[in-house]
Amino acid sequence: DTGVSQDPRHKITKRGQNVTFRCDPISEHNRLYWYRQTLGQGPEFLTYFQNEAQLEKSRLLSDRFSAERPKGSFSTLEIQRTEQGDSAMYLCASSLQVPGNTIYFGEGSWLTVV
Amino acid sequence: TQLLEQSPQFLSIQEGENLTVYCNSSSVFSSLQWYRQEPGEGPVLLVTVVTGGEVKKLKRLTFQFGDARKDSSLHITAAQPGDTGLYLCAGASYSGAGSYQLTFGKGTKLSVIP
Repeated sequence: DTGVSQDPRHKITKRGQNVTFRCDPISEHNRLYWYRQTLGQGPEFLTYFQNEAQLEKSRLLSDRFSAERPKGSFSTLEIQRTEQGDSAMYLCASSLQVPGNTIYFGEGSWLTVV
Repeated sequence: TQLLEQSPQFLSIQEGENLTVYCNSSSVFSSLQWYRQEPGEGPVLLVTVVTGGEVKKLKRLTFQFGDARKDSSLHITAAQPGDTGLYLCAGASYSGAGSYQLTFGKGTKLSVIP
């Protein structure tokens, strides 16, 4: 399977704990995106990498959230001191850096904070 | 802030009926993508439209991009139960220092009753 893969698919954590999600993009894609989706809503943009550089962060990305893409390949999204409001599906996507490029999504990582 | 409004939000129809889903914005997008999402899964790309006035067909699905690249529609002919799902439109645009991101609508939840 050469699509975008995310791990873990599901995570249940207690409030206050830290969680980390991993994303492996499509291998030749140099752009990587993180989105968050809650029930009844479309995905909302969190942050974006071009190679290893984090070029844009949404205001949704509080200081408890940090994303990295150290070698320009896989990426991690860490949430520190989780809150119940962090419960959502975290989606990773990737694309090529060409005009009109298509963004392909992974299957998502479901986070439930109890 | 760019907003995409989708209508209707919910649609329940009988198998064999036709339907149209609309996606409207006051903003111009460089391209527009339609996705279908199953519960607990990531969005799966259906089509990307790039040129104003463009029409693309995918079996029983017809996608149209408005002339001004601000709106789009998805028409399904002879809907089948397998078409059931959440249909999301997403407008692509460049922001800031060349970053590229998608703005999603809230989606149209379609149920096709056998």
